[in-house]
Amino acid sequence: KAGVTQTPRYLIKTRGQQVTLSCSPISGHRSVSWYQQTPGQGLQFLFEYFSETQRNKGNFPGRFSGRQFSNSRSEMNVSTLELGDSALYLCASSGTGGKEPFFGQGTRLTVV
Amino acid sequence: SQKIEQNSEALNIQEGKTATLTCNYTNYSPAYLQWYRQDPGRGPVFLLLIRENEKEKRKERLKVTFDTTLKQSLFHITASQPADSATYLCALELNSGYSTLTFGKGTMLLVSP
Repeated sequence: KAGVTQTPRYLIKTRGQQVTLSCSPISGHRSVSWYQQTPGQGLQFLFEYFSETQRNKGNFPGRFSGRQFSNSRSEMNVSTLELGDSALYLCASSGTGGKEPFFGQGTRLTVV
Repeated sequence: SQKIEQNSEALNIQEGKTATLTCNYTNYSPAYLQWYRQDPGRGPVFLLLIRENEKEKRKERLKVTFDTTLKQSLFHITASQPADSATYLCALELNSGYSTLTFGKGTMLLVSP
């Protein structure tokens, strides 16, 4: 069974630009969550999608948005990038039966 | 305010010894507490989950305890090996029914041969 796949693995963007990150969950998993990880703040929850609906949202500005498609793949978008958005963005998928989420390897975003 | 605290200093131990990592939380009433391992540049890997009504959980060389009165979880690795060197994260899941986790910042464990 393939794991959670995130693309791209690395990204360099300029302040003010926007970026879209992609996450393909494990086959059969309908829940996808996104997290931002920085050295200062650690792992912070962004949002969670289930069956194309956002079920929960963390405390991030509206520049951070996401969506989920009918095949459970998810994207997150960050608009008007700031230097502080530089981070490792992780997505995790989980099935309906268990509580264990499976994380992808993340997308390392650097904003210059 | 709500906090999850893990020892920010790295824990250095000798191979073969038992490593004990601590996770303390305040102003939360978690339904579950989870422990993860994270290697540099990789996503966290789930290790163990313990429910609020469980005191202890074991899996091979790993043991987790959960004291909801003290608001503390202890994570033990017995017979530690250099391959256990990594950052260990605790995470709380509130009983929201949704897959959202609140993470501590993690403790780095270094096991020397």
